[in-house]
Amino acid sequence: DAGVIQSPRHEVTEMGQEVTLRCKPISGHDYLFWYRQTMMRGLELLIYFNNNVPIDDSGMPEDRFSAKMPNASFSTLKIQPSEPRDSAVYFCASSFGDRVYYGYTFGSGTRLTVV
Amino acid sequence: DQQVKQNSPSLSVQEGRISILNCDYTNSMFDYFLWYKKYPAEGPTFLISISSIKDKNEDGRFTVFLNKSAKHLSLHIVPSQPGDSAVYFCAASVSYAGNMLTFGGGTRLMVKP
Repeated sequence: DAGVIQSPRHEVTEMGQEVTLRCKPISGHDYLFWYRQTMMRGLELLIYFNNNVPIDDSGMPEDRFSAKMPNASFSTLKIQPSEPRDSAVYFCASSFGDRVYYGYTFGSGTRLTVV
Repeated sequence: DQQVKQNSPSLSVQEGRISILNCDYTNSMFDYFLWYKKYPAEGPTFLISISSIKDKNEDGRFTVFLNKSAKHLSLHIVPSQPGDSAVYFCAASVSYAGNMLTFGGGTRLMVKP
């Protein structure tokens, strides 16, 4: 298995533009998580899905952020409009089952820079 | 309010010595704890975990200790190697309430040759 695949690896965009981050989870995993890493807040959970259904989006910072999972093999995180404070590394992770005993498998992340 | 805290942002250790990374939590409902390791430009990878029914779990050079009364866990790496230089995150979960992990802010470990 190729692991969790995120694209793009790096994204530089101007303030006000729409940004879409993509994630392909590991085949067979039924949970998908979006995390954001910043110096100030570490790794914070934005939203997670179970069987393609959003379960908890309380970590989404504001209405500018939205996430979808149209099928079991694809998810997107969209920021519209983007702001400089959104600059961070965004990670997608997937896991199987409702127990954390073996943790999540993370993708390599998307480094977003909003100028 | 951070439920999982790693109060040391960085730690420097000599090769061959012990590295001790610490983590504190506030939510008494947490019953499963994990450590992740992250290299630059990569995602975090699972390292070791411990259930709240134990106070120690060992895997090769890595040992995690849990002190439930103090709501504190630590990761010991013995002996430390330069390849261990990375950012280490601790994470906690209420395992019977689903598999959502709450992460600490991370500690950057630097192992000097």
